[in-house]
Amino acid sequence: GDSVTQMEGPVTLSEEAFLTINCTYTATGYPSLFWYVQYPGEGLQLLLKATKADDKGSNKGFEATYRKETTSFHLEKGSVQVSDSAVYFCALSDRDSGYSTLTFGKGTMLLVSP
Amino acid sequence: EAGVAQSPRYKIIEKRQSVAFWCNPISGHATLYWYQQILGQGPKLLIQFQNNGVVDDSQLPKDRFSAERLKGVDSTLKIQPAKLEDSAVYLCASSLSPLYGYTFGSGTRLTVV
Repeated sequence: GDSVTQMEGPVTLSEEAFLTINCTYTATGYPSLFWYVQYPGEGLQLLLKATKADDKGSNKGFEATYRKETTSFHLEKGSVQVSDSAVYFCALSDRDSGYSTLTFGKGTMLLVSP
Repeated sequence: EAGVAQSPRYKIIEKRQSVAFWCNPISGHATLYWYQQILGQGPKLLIQFQNNGVVDDSQLPKDRFSAERLKGVDSTLKIQPAKLEDSAVYLCASSLSPLYGYTFGSGTRLTVV
């Protein structure tokens, strides 16, 4: 079955540091890939997505590139802010579900200090 | 546009009691999902509706969980009887089309004691 593996957290960084959160996946067929963010006390929000190999999703300074050869979709940001502190989830949807349901990783907590 | 509304925000019950959660999706979104998020884990799909029909309930523990979506709009998720391991955040999401992603509600945090 499908699965998503993320690096364990928490990831603790100082403001303006470079961020990488690793994500790898296993899927049948050709999945679409997503990053969702969950701020404390809130629901999940779509951060960015990519639907085919070599696509780069980007939003709010975050970016991730769909790497089919390494089955990866690592999240990066060049300079994090305190307001980026949240839990980040990598997810995929695949053809078997008509691309309509999501399989999530366990999430990675990011803590940014001033 | 208004987001996905869920209630209650928090619920504490004793094991073997019953509980119900409510979700109002974004207007016009035909697809509605219920996910269970246990602490420290990613959300897991419980059930997917398309309008008022069930598309996928393969991971719903049907001996104790039930869900309905009357008239293809609001939905309720019920647990009866609850177990300790049901303690989790229950997330509702809706979608106009999978290509555009989901919109999640803020969730209901259930604690079973």
